[in-house]
Amino acid sequence: ETGVTQSPTHLIKTRGQQVTLRCSSQSGHNTVSWYQQALGQGPQFIFQYYREEENGRGNFPPRFSGLQFPNYSSELNVNALELDDSALYLCASSLKGTGANVLTFGAGSRLTVL
Amino acid sequence: SQQGEEDPQALSIQEGENATMNCSYKTSINNLQWYRQNSGRGLVHLILIRSNEREKHSGRLRVTLDTSKKSSSLLITASRAADTASYFCAPTANNTNAGKSTFGDGTTLTVKP
Repeated sequence: ETGVTQSPTHLIKTRGQQVTLRCSSQSGHNTVSWYQQALGQGPQFIFQYYREEENGRGNFPPRFSGLQFPNYSSELNVNALELDDSALYLCASSLKGTGANVLTFGAGSRLTVL
Repeated sequence: SQQGEEDPQALSIQEGENATMNCSYKTSINNLQWYRQNSGRGLVHLILIRSNEREKHSGRLRVTLDTSKKSSSLLITASRAADTASYFCAPTANNTNAGKSTFGDGTTLTVKP
């Protein structure tokens, strides 16, 4: 059984560019949630994907978008990058329908926007 | 929205002492989970307590839940330097909203050897 893997681990972009972050969910999980964590703060919920559709969204603008694929892996896309988008982006998978919905997190992708 | 607020913001203790951190929330919950995060890494699930439970143990961890006060506490007994990390709570209202928690800023625990 593999855990949640995220790629890339680190990346640097400039303001205005676009970025795609990837997440492979834990084997057997069907739901992926994405979080943004700025330095010194807690993870902020961006959105969740279940059955390849967005299943809830936090307070983030439309330039944050995502996808979930049939194998339950997921992508987070951010367009028109801003300096404030610099953060650790965390992906977490879970199994919806089991009652507990414990989240399994990846190690994160650290994005720096210059 | 589902959000827990952890208190205190920072806690510094000596190895061997106990550490207690608290969580408050505003909505009715189905369960509450505690997570730990080592610096710059992903969160790791520690323990889950359901709304009909008042106390739960796992190794050196003890969690209590008071739904009337909408609060929970996490106690780490006989702390070790390796327990140094940030701790977050995640109240979950129901299965539909599971995984949609926005976390508070956590409690940063430093255990001095």
